[in-house]
Amino acid sequence: AQSVTQLDSHVSVSEGTPVLLRCNYSSSYSPSLFWYVQHPNKGLQLLLKYTSAATLVKGINGFEAEFKKSETSFHLTKPSAHMSDAAEYFCVVSDKRTGANNLFFGTGTRLTIIP
Amino acid sequence: DAGVTQSPTHLIKTRGQQVTLRCSPKSGHDTVSWYQQALGQGPQFIFQYYEEEERQRGNFPDRFSGHQFPNYSSELNVNALLLGDSALYLCASSFGGGSGSAFFGQGTRLTVV
Repeated sequence: AQSVTQLDSHVSVSEGTPVLLRCNYSSSYSPSLFWYVQHPNKGLQLLLKYTSAATLVKGINGFEAEFKKSETSFHLTKPSAHMSDAAEYFCVVSDKRTGANNLFFGTGTRLTIIP
Repeated sequence: DAGVTQSPTHLIKTRGQQVTLRCSPKSGHDTVSWYQQALGQGPQFIFQYYEEEERQRGNFPDRFSGHQFPNYSSELNVNALLLGDSALYLCASSFGGGSGSAFFGQGTRLTVV
């Protein structure tokens, strides 16, 4: 079975400071891992994905995530937060057995940026 | 290039009624998946359609059914609506039966009263 745990339901950071959104995963097979962002009244947008290539994955808008198999983690980071980063972020896992579109979402982390 | 489009954007139905939601995939995509996102929760996988057949299904009752048309568009039908069916319903499209990245529509907000 596969699942993800987002360790923080809400994260607040000041503009210009680093962002860290934590995610741990569980998968019986080789996982594919994703981070999606959801802005209010907008659809889900793919930030980045890991599919067993490089463990450090760079995404859009300056975000990156590192796959750590030993820690079963896939934390999302950004060096400097911008006001436009305020949104809901979802860590997502799928596995090759069930297919890349059978996505299992975490419960989400709401990121607030303090001016 | 139009992305994934869903209709309607909002819908209010009465308990016990039936509803149909529609999704047009991104150009070039042939696979459609449906997700339910309850308020304050992450999306949950309902089912996936590829080559006009349901290929995978999540943990949802038979009241939830779907269809995919030859032009790859899809419908989600929910019968005998319950108050708990109130949610944002998201459609995601991709290429090749699930091997490509999924692109999501903006969703249909269903309210059951």
